[in-house]
Amino acid sequence: TQLLEQSPQFLSIQEGENLTVYCNSSSVFSSLQWYRQEPGEGPVLLVTVVTGGEVKKLKRLTFQFGDARKDSSLHITAAQPGDTGLYLCAGGTGNQFYFGTGTSLTVIP
Amino acid sequence: EAQVTQNPRYLITVTGKKLTVTCSQNMNHEYMSWYRQDPGLGLRQIYYSMNVEVTDKGDVPEGYKVSRKEKRNFPLILESPSPNQTSLYFCATTGTGGGEQYFGPGTRLTVT
Repeated sequence: TQLLEQSPQFLSIQEGENLTVYCNSSSVFSSLQWYRQEPGEGPVLLVTVVTGGEVKKLKRLTFQFGDARKDSSLHITAAQPGDTGLYLCAGGTGNQFYFGTGTSLTVIP
Repeated sequence: EAQVTQNPRYLITVTGKKLTVTCSQNMNHEYMSWYRQDPGLGLRQIYYSMNVEVTDKGDVPEGYKVSRKEKRNFPLILESPSPNQTSLYFCATTGTGGGEQYFGPGTRLTVT
């Protein structure tokens, strides 16, 4: 089983603070995706990264894929209450997808 | 509107009583899969299907069956449910070449 570990598992911060979520694995992935999931709903894709060292920005969110394509990070600048949710990384290899354990983020107004 | 539908959304059943959770997509995608989500374990892939009549085991296939007789439908079958299959189940679909997975709304299953 290829396991993706995320850290931290839980994060509670004040509005306006910055944060970083990490996704690590001992396996190499052809692509890595970040999803956000709200209670009672399925995950929704935020970004896909495919190239080692790639950095993608989505407004206040910055995603980075490690050079060796084994790890990734998600950085949120000036977090807002609307960022609250469960963040999941997912690695693709062959025809299968492996999800991380998730980071539950709460942004307090 | 592109969507993935699952039914039922909630199900409480007893050990050993066969059940089927349906999944349907209107995006004409070839790839479909089933996941279960448990606290602290994230989403784990149960089965996936690359196309009609082609299915493969994911990470945690024990106790589950699937079928893919039509492109749009991918039902999940629990022949003899047990309490350790109590979980939140998601169906997902992906277009050719991989990429974004579109998830259904989830089915919360409780087996007593």
